[in-house]
Amino acid sequence: SQELEQSPQSLIVQEGKNLTINCTSSKTLYGLYWYKQKYGEGLIFLMMLQKGGEEKSHEKITAKLDEKKQQSSLHITASQPSHAGIYLCGADGGETSGSRLTFGEGTQLTVNP
Amino acid sequence: EADIYQTPRYLVIGTGKKITLECSQTMGHDKMYWYQQDPGMELHLIHYSYGVNSTEKGDLSSESTVSRIRTEHFPLTLESARPSHTSQYLCASSDTGTTTGELFFGEGSRLTVL
Repeated sequence: SQELEQSPQSLIVQEGKNLTINCTSSKTLYGLYWYKQKYGEGLIFLMMLQKGGEEKSHEKITAKLDEKKQQSSLHITASQPSHAGIYLCGADGGETSGSRLTFGEGTQLTVNP
Repeated sequence: EADIYQTPRYLVIGTGKKITLECSQTMGHDKMYWYQQDPGMELHLIHYSYGVNSTEKGDLSSESTVSRIRTEHFPLTLESARPSHTSQYLCASSDTGTTTGELFFGEGSRLTVL
């Protein structure tokens, strides 16, 4: 089965700093999804990457999928307290897009004002 | 904005009780899922459904059961709750035709079994 490893497990940054979260897969990724979760709540979809080398941005968040499609990074520029939460990467196991995602353990991000 | 709802949001019950966690979506999605999330944040798929009268067990074995009698409704039941069932349960749905592959999540049901 596909396994996803995220690093770091937790991250504390000062407001305004840039940061990167990594997600490494044990197998080739057919689709890589980034979600954000606030404590005790559901997950909110951020971005989806499918093609090797693909990069997507939304506001101050940029996600990339490497050429070999086994690693993705999520980069936040000029972090704000609103960015705090748990970031999870999810992988599509090769079935119809969006089905049966496997998730990493998540990265807990704290942004200090 | 996603229209998927879970009830109850929080539930504290005693061992041996039967409980049902409700999940409803108004988007007409054919695929629905139940994930169990441990305190350490990792999510595990425990059940999924690709349509009415279709249910499958997920990657993590669970003593819970599910049913899919209507497209919009995907309840999860525990016949006899135990402390080991204490966890957060997240329901999600997706549309087969979506190009983004996005899962829409409910806000979760946090279950505590005493």
